[in-house]
Amino acid sequence: NAGVIQTPRHKVTGKGQEATLWCEPISGHSAVFWYRQTIVQGLEFLTYFRNQAPIDDSGMPKERFSAQMPNQSHSTLKIQSTQPQDSAVYLCASSSPGQGEETLYFGSGTRLTVL
Amino acid sequence: GDSVTQTEGLVTVTEGLPVKLNCTYQTTYLTIAFFWYVQYLNEAPQVLLRSSTDNKRTEHQGFHATLHKSSSSFHLQKSSAQLSDSALYYCALTNSAGNKLTFGIGTRVLVRP
Repeated sequence: NAGVIQTPRHKVTGKGQEATLWCEPISGHSAVFWYRQTIVQGLEFLTYFRNQAPIDDSGMPKERFSAQMPNQSHSTLKIQSTQPQDSAVYLCASSSPGQGEETLYFGSGTRLTVL
Repeated sequence: GDSVTQTEGLVTVTEGLPVKLNCTYQTTYLTIAFFWYVQYLNEAPQVLLRSSTDNKRTEHQGFHATLHKSSSSFHLQKSSAQLSDSALYYCALTNSAGNKLTFGIGTRVLVRP
C-alpha cells in the first residue's frame, strides 16, 4: 500500500499564476479531504468528497479555489491567480468506511510557494 | 461550529521526564471521535490516538489520553519522553454532522537529551 500520493512535492508560482495540485487516495478509500497547513493556522479544512461527490466545501476560499474528483483514483485542487498568502503546505487525506471512516490517512503534502 | 484549542505552541522537555499536551474543545454537535495526530519532520501527519468513549483511557506507543466530556478535554500525556517523540502534535475532533476533522493549531514538542 503506497499510501496517499500527492504531486508535486514542491511548487513555486508567480503571483497571479495558476497552481494545480494532485492527489491519489489510498485504493479503496471512498472519502478524500483537502487541508491547508500553515504555522499560524495549523491544519485548516478546505473540502471533502465522498464517492467522488462533493460533500462539504465550507473551508474553500470562494473565488479562486476549486477542487474536483473526476474518478475514484484522483482529486485535484486548483488555485487560480495565486497570491502570496496562498503559500502553505496543502495536504490531501483519504479514509474508508469500515476502518473508522473518520480516521484520516494523509499524504506528505505539496508545499506551494507564491512569489 | 467546532473548535479545538491547544494552548502550548512549543513544549520543551528533557528526555525521560513526563510530558503533557493540553487539548480542549467546543462543539454544538454530538461528537463522534477525538484524535491526536503526530507529524514528524518532513512526514505526513499520522494518527496516534483515537477515542470516542467518555472517561476511558486510550493508550498507544507509550502515550495516553482520556476523553473528559465534563471538562471538554482530551489531553495527551507520556510518562517518559524519548528523543524520538520530538514532533508536531495535533488534537482533532469529528462531529456527527460530517466526517471532516477539525484540528487544533498544533503543539511542537522538543525533547532534549
